[in-house]
Amino acid sequence: DIQMTQSPSSLSASVGDRVTITCRASQDISDYLAWYQQKPGKVPELLIYDASTLQSGVPSRFSGSGSGTDFTLTVSSPQPEDVATYYCQQYKSVPYTFGPGTKVDLK
Amino acid sequence: EVQLLQSGGGLVQPGESLRLSCAASGFTFINYAMTWVRQAPGKGLEWVSSISGTGSRMDYADSVRGRFTISRDNSRDTVYLQMNSLRAEDTAVYYCAKYRRSGTYYPFDIWGRGTMVTVSS
Repeated sequence: DIQMTQSPSSLSASVGDRVTITCRASQDISDYLAWYQQKPGKVPELLIYDASTLQSGVPSRFSGSGSGTDFTLTVSSPQPEDVATYYCQQYKSVPYTFGPGTKVDLK
Repeated sequence: EVQLLQSGGGLVQPGESLRLSCAASGFTFINYAMTWVRQAPGKGLEWVSSISGTGSRMDYADSVRGRFTISRDNSRDTVYLQMNSLRAEDTAVYYCAKYRRSGTYYPFDIWGRGTMVTVSS
């Protein structure tokens, strides 16, 4: 099975700061990598797929990069509505696996 | 509008069974694989099972294989998760979700609102 790790596990940012979350796969997954946002008490939502493609309707302050085993989610200027837990997920092979999540809050 | 309406769930005792349903609307159901993802209280997301559009291929997480069965009825645009021999560690919110594109290896772009399953004596 492919293991996914994320860092940091949590972070606190100021509005307007740049936020970067890292995701690492235990083996090469090419660009079969998605990022999801789950706001408190809400359903997960797809943010980015194929490592760097923004899902329709997602603000352009979100971006993704990486390939192979190392990936990054960047929020260029976080807004109060971006308070959430962010999960990466590989869909290169079954079982699909999620990272443990990164909880983002704002100072 | 694409929607997934979930039903089922509830409180059961260890060893009992439960069936979850997820009714889809707003897209051509048979063209898309569907999946179930769960989230234990205060924990992260865990993929549970997926089924192809025609129902010919099913995949399961090791933690549920042999106890859970995924199925779909394309005449009713509905996917099911039959859960047998439930354990306390199956306690979670269960989400159904749709694959983003037709095919096998895609992320999940539309999610149901989730249904709580509690396994406790």
